[in-house]
Amino acid sequence: EPEVTQTPSHQVTQMGQEVILRCVPISNHLYFYWYRQILGQKVEFLVSFYNNEISEKSEIFDDQFSVERPDGSNFTLKIRSTKLEDSAMYFCAIGTASMNTEAFFGQGTRLTVV
Amino acid sequence: QKEVEQNSGPLSVPEGAIASLNCTYSDRGSQSFFWYRQYSGKSPELIMFIYSNGDKEDGRFTAQLNKASQYVSLLIRDSQPSDSATYLCAVKGGGFKTIFGAGTRLFVKA
Repeated sequence: EPEVTQTPSHQVTQMGQEVILRCVPISNHLYFYWYRQILGQKVEFLVSFYNNEISEKSEIFDDQFSVERPDGSNFTLKIRSTKLEDSAMYFCAIGTASMNTEAFFGQGTRLTVV
Repeated sequence: QKEVEQNSGPLSVPEGAIASLNCTYSDRGSQSFFWYRQYSGKSPELIMFIYSNGDKEDGRFTAQLNKASQYVSLLIRDSQPSDSATYLCAVKGGGFKTIFGAGTRLFVKA
């Protein structure tokens, strides 16, 4: 089973600040995803990233969000100006063979916006 | 709006019993179906995936898919206290987006 490491495990930030969440897959993968889960709510799809570009994004993924693979290994999610409602667990996930296969999740980053 | 519906539970079963978890989905074009287990405060962990109508067995777990009824289920045989968790049903259509249900909480009583 592929492994995904996320950093930091917990981040507290002030409203309006920028945050960058990082994801490092152990081995090379083509399909990357970000999900979030607000406490007590559903896991929600944010964005998928394939072949070094966004392949699909949800309505949640507005102009405040961006993703990139700056060095070909790390996969990052940036929130430009955080809001209180951005407080959630953010999960990075990787896909194995194709876009319709299962995703393996990292352990998550808990983001708290104060 | 594409939806995945699950009974929130809690579903309580005695140790050794069969736990049956159900899920319905709204998008007839859905192609891939997944069951994840999520312990409190942890990330979702993939248990089963199924793409074709019928049953798929893996150890104590059996996933069942009925596309005509838009229905997916997960059976857990010989339930153990360690199976106590929230079980998430997830569905993918022809694209990259996965839609998750809210999950069913399962309690296995020792």
